[in-house]
Amino acid sequence: GQNIDQPTEMTATEGAIVQINCTYQTSGFNGLFWYQQHAGEAPTFLSYNVLDGLEEKGRFSSFLSRSKGYSYLLLKELQMKDSASYLCAVPDSNYQLIWGAGTKLIIKP
Amino acid sequence: SAVISQKPSRDICQRGTSLTIQCQVDSQVTMMFWYRQQPGQSLTLIATANQGSEATYESGFVIDKFPISRPNLTFSTLTVSNMSPEDSSIYLCSVKPGHGETGELFFGEGSRLTVL
Repeated sequence: GQNIDQPTEMTATEGAIVQINCTYQTSGFNGLFWYQQHAGEAPTFLSYNVLDGLEEKGRFSSFLSRSKGYSYLLLKELQMKDSASYLCAVPDSNYQLIWGAGTKLIIKP
Repeated sequence: SAVISQKPSRDICQRGTSLTIQCQVDSQVTMMFWYRQQPGQSLTLIATANQGSEATYESGFVIDKFPISRPNLTFSTLTVSNMSPEDSSIYLCSVKPGHGETGELFFGEGSRLTVL
């Protein structure tokens, strides 16, 4: 079956770096998505990885290791507005997204 | 990309009543989905809204409780029927406008329902 694990909550300091991990188990692999969701708002797309390695997009980077069933989202130079939940998601065999429970990131001054 | 308008943005409803949520997209999209997100939890897919035919429901969701319409490629509605407090949740419309199977999803602003 499909399973996605990510930490429930993390705390980091403004200006610092934080890494949010996601491990997954899927039958087949069709890529991995990261979404950001601020409280009370809809999720917004951050990244999509289908090949191994690190993809950088400004302050945010996403890493994938298919052999390990592992991904992480790296946030640099943290800002208060980065306080949000970060959702990891993978498509199932029908290409419907299976969502992790999300990691709530709390940024402290 | 796609711009999605969803309404109502929030509502407070009485037990036993029904509420219809509307989703309007600024472009034609084939794939349109309805999700539910209960407080503190992740997204759960309710159904795929199919244009011109009955929606495809996920396990645990049935048409009598969550009837869905999809009259064209830019519009859909989700009705939450005979509501109970357990239906208090955020309901999200999403679309996948990209070509191919693994395009990203875009979401509406969500409809936050509170059932008393």
